[in-house]
Amino acid sequence: DAGITQSPRHKVTETGTPVTLRCHQTENHRYMYWYRQDPGHGLRLIHYSYGVKDTDKGEVSDGYSVSRSKTEDFLLTLESATSSQTSVYFCAISESTAGYTFGSGTRLTVV
Amino acid sequence: RKEVEQDPGPFNVPEGATVAFNCTYSNSASQSFFWYRQDCRKEPKLLMSVYSSGNEDGRFTAQLNRASQYISLLIRDSKLSDSATYLCVVKPPNNNDMRFGAGTRLTVKP
Repeated sequence: DAGITQSPRHKVTETGTPVTLRCHQTENHRYMYWYRQDPGHGLRLIHYSYGVKDTDKGEVSDGYSVSRSKTEDFLLTLESATSSQTSVYFCAISESTAGYTFGSGTRLTVV
Repeated sequence: RKEVEQDPGPFNVPEGATVAFNCTYSNSASQSFFWYRQDCRKEPKLLMSVYSSGNEDGRFTAQLNRASQYISLLIRDSKLSDSATYLCVVKPPNNNDMRFGAGTRLTVKP
């Protein structure tokens, strides 16, 4: 019954390669978010979207870009992966001031 | 200073114990507050919203103190299944996103 799915669930990639993570929702929520989670830092916002083609930067956006061409899909691209981008990436959806629903996460390792 | 700060723990308590977590936030104009639960290697899940008047959901009680800018979560009669990391979450004003504390880890032991 998952209304939000992330793919891939795990990925290992080499330094310098581009990587795209996908978030797909079936809830028709307006807001979508990409976070990364690292030990000691909690969840930090990378980018978010408030509608089709409407996106904005979060606190750790350097090295990342996003696109939202359809309500249901929010893509996160690491333009040239670095080891510091090894992390767990979570996508989330929400409506207005309600709480978030998170996807299951993507574990990315950059070697 | 971090926008949302939590004691990282870990808190190790026996079954049946009462345990309380606190969280402080820096922006006094913040509007919405939540507690999330995150199991190991899983995504965070909403545990409960926190209202100004305080709210209770079974064994869980959340309270908000706006004057002191802190939020608390009380768990009574702890169960083994309560073992998890608890994330304090705050929505700043004029923002469409939310800010997360680093989490407090709880282990409930038999």
